[in-house]
Amino acid sequence: KAGVTQTPRYLIKTRGQQVTLSCSPISGHRSVSWYQQTPGQGLQFLFEYFSETQRNKGNFPGRFSGRQFSNSRSEMNVSTLELGDSALYLCASSLAVGGSTDTQYFGPGTRLTVL
Amino acid sequence: QKEVEQDPGPLSVPEGAIVSLNCTYSNSAFQYFMWYRQYSRKGPELLMYTYSSGNKEDGRFTAQVDKSSKYISLFIRDSQPSDSATYLCAMSSIRSGNTGKLIFGQGTTLQVKP
Repeated sequence: KAGVTQTPRYLIKTRGQQVTLSCSPISGHRSVSWYQQTPGQGLQFLFEYFSETQRNKGNFPGRFSGRQFSNSRSEMNVSTLELGDSALYLCASSLAVGGSTDTQYFGPGTRLTVL
Repeated sequence: QKEVEQDPGPLSVPEGAIVSLNCTYSNSAFQYFMWYRQYSRKGPELLMYTYSSGNKEDGRFTAQVDKSSKYISLFIRDSQPSDSATYLCAMSSIRSGNTGKLIFGQGTTLQVKP
């Protein structure tokens, strides 16, 4: 079974631009969570989607948004990019049997650099 | 104060050594405890998943949870150079409604020397 895939793997943007990252979960998984990883703050939870609905959200500004499609694929968007948004963005999927998010499996991440 | 504290290391050991990695936490609501391994330029890979207190063993890996002390550990026996990676502890609480929010430690960088 294929793992979690994320595209693109690397991205370079300039301040003020916006960016969209994509995540395809493991087949059959219904929950998708997004995390930001930086050397200073480590891994921080951004948000989680289940059945196209955002169920939980971390402490990030409104510039960070996401959505989930009917096939469970998810995208996250960052508008008005800042230098501090440079990070590895990780997506994790979970089977979520009965709607409860259980073991999460991570993708390889998208490395975003903001210049 | 962070909810989950983890010594970032680096930790360097000779091949064959027993490695002990630890995390402490402050939120008594945490019920689910995980250890992930992350190689350079890769996403985290789940190693161990435990619920509540006790020990869980899987091959060379043993996860230990002591909820009374708010302390979790991962032991690696007969460590190999291929174990060189960053090890992340992660936790979640039932109060998050089982909605996927994991709280991670900072990660400990381990190097196993041949």
